[in-house]
Amino acid sequence: GQQLNQSPQSMFIQEGEDVSMNCTSSSIFNTWLWYKQEPGEGPVLLIALYKAGELTSNGRLTAQFGITRKDSFLNISASIPSDVGIYFCAGPRSLNSGNTPLVFGKGTRLSVIA
Amino acid sequence: GAGVSQTPSNKVTEKGKYVELRCDPISGHTALYWYRQSLGQGPEFLIYFQGTGAADDSGLPNDRFFAVRPEGSVSTLKIQRTERGDSAVYLCASSLSAGNYGYTFGSGTRLTVV
Repeated sequence: GQQLNQSPQSMFIQEGEDVSMNCTSSSIFNTWLWYKQEPGEGPVLLIALYKAGELTSNGRLTAQFGITRKDSFLNISASIPSDVGIYFCAGPRSLNSGNTPLVFGKGTRLSVIA
Repeated sequence: GAGVSQTPSNKVTEKGKYVELRCDPISGHTALYWYRQSLGQGPEFLIYFQGTGAADDSGLPNDRFFAVRPEGSVSTLKIQRTERGDSAVYLCASSLSAGNYGYTFGSGTRLTVV
């Protein structure tokens, strides 16, 4: 099955700074998704990417589907305290089935210092 | 309902006991997923249902774990002879159909085996 590696594992940034995190795999993905999880809650979908090279924004968040199909990036501009949480990348567990469940990375933990 | 509901939110049980965790998905969502999340890790796939049938149970760690969805709506994850290593947050998600990656997660059940 597919495995995802996220970096960095954690980040401490000042409010107002831009943030960049990435997700890589040794295998090709045909879909990339980014989720955010806050304490005591389940992950919430932020952005979904379906095509190599695709760049998609959701407010201050921008995500890109890497050209090689083996990586994806998430950027957050002008961070605010409510951006605190754990950001997970995810993708289909197998390329061979259209109905395969998602596999998740280990997450990037973001802390914002006001 | 408006979201995915999981009950109980917290469960403490003694080693060797049997537990049931319940998930009530979004009305009309035919696909339902169970994940397990340990501290500092991303969600790990356990099993998913399309309708009433288990479409993929390859993530269940052993035969102590079982899940049902008899009427294609509510699902129950059952764990027999619990072990301390089963302690984790168990997350449920639903989506419109299998292959639709817009998962909506519940807040999870935190299981602690003492």
